[in-house]
Amino acid sequence: GEDVEQSLFLSVREGDSSVINCTYTDSSSTYLYWYKQEPGAGLQLLTYIFSNMDMKQDQRLTVLLNKKDKHLSLRIADTQTGDSAIYFCAESRKGGYQKVTFGTGTKLQVIP
Amino acid sequence: GAVVSQHPSWVICKSGTSVKIECRSLDFQATTMFWYRQFPKQSLMLMATSNEGSKATYEQGVEKDKFLINHASLTLSTLTVTSAHPEDSSFYICSARDGGEQFFGPGTRLTVL
Repeated sequence: GEDVEQSLFLSVREGDSSVINCTYTDSSSTYLYWYKQEPGAGLQLLTYIFSNMDMKQDQRLTVLLNKKDKHLSLRIADTQTGDSAIYFCAESRKGGYQKVTFGTGTKLQVIP
Repeated sequence: GAVVSQHPSWVICKSGTSVKIECRSLDFQATTMFWYRQFPKQSLMLMATSNEGSKATYEQGVEKDKFLINHASLTLSTLTVTSAHPEDSSFYICSARDGGEQFFGPGTRLTVL
């Protein structure tokens, strides 16, 4: 079955860049997502990338995909204290069902 | 983006009682809604997929008689936790699909005493 893994914790200083990594096992993954969850809240979709892309940039966010190694990363430039949250990567296949499988989540702590 | 709401946002109930959680898509119609469960400091686990007008599809290991899902309209799905027990205490999150993207509700914190 599908398996998505992330490191549990990352601590960075305000203003530095953060890089959150994710690995997945399903070679049929078509969509790869990054979600942000603040304490006690639901999930907010930050960005997503199609499996036929290598990179996607959206303001401070850069997503890199290495499909050969099934490795996905999220880089946050100029990290702010408001970026402190849990970040989940997720994957799904193309198709009507589109079950989304979430990673274990990485807690990002931004130190002022 | 599209908005998904959940009600209630938190609920405390006694063991043995049933609790109903509502998930609504506010500005779009969702033929498919998903129910997830999240334990503290853990990832989201898909419980079931709810399709409007038909029976829900449950993931392996999820008791369909305990977690009743009804998707009676294109904007509303409900999850009823029947005969709740303390081990059912969790954060329940729904999502609704608008075309290709899933939009998540804010979640419902259930505490069973």
